[in-house]
Amino acid sequence: GQQLNQSPQSMFIQEGEDVSMNCTSSSIFNTWLWYKQEPGEGPVLLIALYKAGELTSNGRLTAQFGITRKDSFLNISASIPSDVGIYFCAGFNAGNNRKLIWGLGTSLAVNP
Amino acid sequence: DAMVIQNPRYQVTQFGKPVTLSCSQTLNHNVMYWYQQKSSQAPKLLFHYYDKDFNNEADTPDNFQSRRPNTSFCFLDIRSPGLGDAAMYLCATSRETRMETQYFGPGTRLLVL
Repeated sequence: GQQLNQSPQSMFIQEGEDVSMNCTSSSIFNTWLWYKQEPGEGPVLLIALYKAGELTSNGRLTAQFGITRKDSFLNISASIPSDVGIYFCAGFNAGNNRKLIWGLGTSLAVNP
Repeated sequence: DAMVIQNPRYQVTQFGKPVTLSCSQTLNHNVMYWYQQKSSQAPKLLFHYYDKDFNNEADTPDNFQSRRPNTSFCFLDIRSPGLGDAAMYLCATSRETRMETQYFGPGTRLLVL
């Protein structure tokens, strides 16, 4: 099935560093979402973006809905050890059988 | 707190022995989803209920069935589990007017022996 191109696949950073990850698609989406999943748990919704160009923050997290509607990025500022996990982007288009299309995830490790 | 609850968190079954996973929600959402997630992969949608209307994904095996007796509860039945069905099973919910914004439960890890 269709998948989004998410990069990087993995990151290993020092505590306090900023992190950036992005997702791109060949298709247009009406909504972009960013989820975080910790080992053995379900994905937790971090940020939902509903409008092209929208820039939204949630604490140290900031995400943007690309103006072309084909991409989105997530930034994490001043990373801390509890930021460890897998970050997934997902896109939604009401015409796409009304289901989420997922990226393959970015695995983040933070060295204290 | 309003939430999505999955029981059990871990389930061990034998090859070919039917198993049922359960999900309940206190969000009062009309739409409920079941996903399968294997290691290092994104969640894969199996099916969803739009209220009582069941929507099966084209590539979901017949071995997987679902029941939704009321708004709050949804069950995933695996009729004859194979080794390849070992995975994390995730339940999610959304409002019908915001199907893109899905809230996930903690998942049930299924092991098939």
